[in-house]
Amino acid sequence: EDQVTQSPEALRLQEGESSSLNCSYTVSGLRGLFWYRQDPGKGPEFLFTLYSAGEEKEKERLKATLTKKESFLHITAPKPEDSATYLCAVREAGSYQLTFGKGTKLSVIP
Amino acid sequence: GAGVSQSPRYKVTKRGQDVTLRCDPISSHATLYWYQQALGQGPEFLTYFNYEAQPDKSGLPSDRFSAERPEGSISTLTIQRTEQRDSAMYRCASSLADGQPQHFGDGTRLSIL
Repeated sequence: EDQVTQSPEALRLQEGESSSLNCSYTVSGLRGLFWYRQDPGKGPEFLFTLYSAGEEKEKERLKATLTKKESFLHITAPKPEDSATYLCAVREAGSYQLTFGKGTKLSVIP
Repeated sequence: GAGVSQSPRYKVTKRGQDVTLRCDPISSHATLYWYQQALGQGPEFLTYFNYEAQPDKSGLPSDRFSAERPEGSISTLTIQRTEQRDSAMYRCASSLADGQPQHFGDGTRLSIL
């Protein structure tokens, strides 16, 4: 069973059409949930860290939220430059590693 | 340095050869991680360093894989007797300290013929 599941796998939005990406996780003792953006040919770029249920972080058109079982990345009025793959990763208590989901590929059409 | 630097960007080698990949982390970053990323997947953990110590190498696929960070800065990942299944993108990441956000390099694309 995957520890981190992201949905949808791919999402096409019109410019300005707000939506949300989902990351559900099953770990015993969350020590952090991380969101990354990855552009083609590049390494993942850090966006947010969330540590506890109810926490929210914002950056420009992006807002990340966390519950005990999942996290959402809300994209408000997206622009074409927001097109990328968005990766979610979790760190479990007692572990050094990040466990990543497979990502959501977002395309924003002008 | 300004960011995590990996070299080479691309490496093509024949099956059975040994390869060494290099990672130069952000200066002053204590921790360093190696990941393997297949196309269309998220990175998968290989190993972790805290300065020169290597507390976790549980993700290394076999004993053909090894990594070192002898002076607590630059790290190398060596794959001996390469096999075609080793073909992948190998990414390095570093963070200021344990638990802090990891910053990734642009990776080394390894192709085994």
